Amino acid sequence: DTGVSQNPRHKITKRGQNVTFRCDPISEHNRLYWYRQTLGQGPEFLTYFQNEAQLEKSRLLSDRFSAERPKGSFSTLEIQRTEQGDSAMYLCASSLAGPDTQYFGPGTRLTVL
Amino acid sequence: SQQGEEDPQALSIQEGENATMNCSYKTSINNLQWYRQNSGRGLVHLILIRSNEREKHSGRLRVTLDTSKKSSSLLITASRAADTASYFCAETSGSRLTFGEGTQLTVNP
Repeated sequence: DTGVSQNPRHKITKRGQNVTFRCDPISEHNRLYWYRQTLGQGPEFLTYFQNEAQLEKSRLLSDRFSAERPKGSFSTLEIQRTEQGDSAMYLCASSLAGPDTQYFGPGTRLTVL
Repeated sequence: SQQGEEDPQALSIQEGENATMNCSYKTSINNLQWYRQNSGRGLVHLILIRSNEREKHSGRLRVTLDTSKKSSSLLITASRAADTASYFCAETSGSRLTFGEGTQLTVNP
């Protein structure tokens, strides 16, 4: 399978805990994006990388959120001190270049109790 | 923040009928993309239409773009039960996608 993969698919955590998600993009894609989607809404942009450089961050990405793409391949999204409002689907996408078709992974569903 | 608006929010049709969904956006765009999302799953890319294109076809899908009205429409012809999903338009300005709230399409067998 050469699509975008995300792990884990589901994560249940208690409020105040830290969580980390991983995204593996399509191998030849330079750009990697993170989005968040809550129930009944469209995805909202969080951040994106061009290779290992983080080029844009949304105001939604509070200081509890950090994303990395250390070698320009996979990326991690960490949420520190989780809050119930962080419960959402976290989607990763990749593309060859921007603006171009973005291919999405299956998402990580986070539930904060 | 969400910028696009989709109309209708929900659409229920019989198998074999056509489904039309509309999308409006607010900014100047490089292109506009349509995605499908089955319940609780990731998004599947359907079609991309560039700002200098007016119409594009892919199988049973037809997308139009009117940049003067900042609107787009997605037509699905001869719908099937498997087309039941949420459909989102997403405008591309810069590198990010800005999604609308989507149209929930139900195709009844």
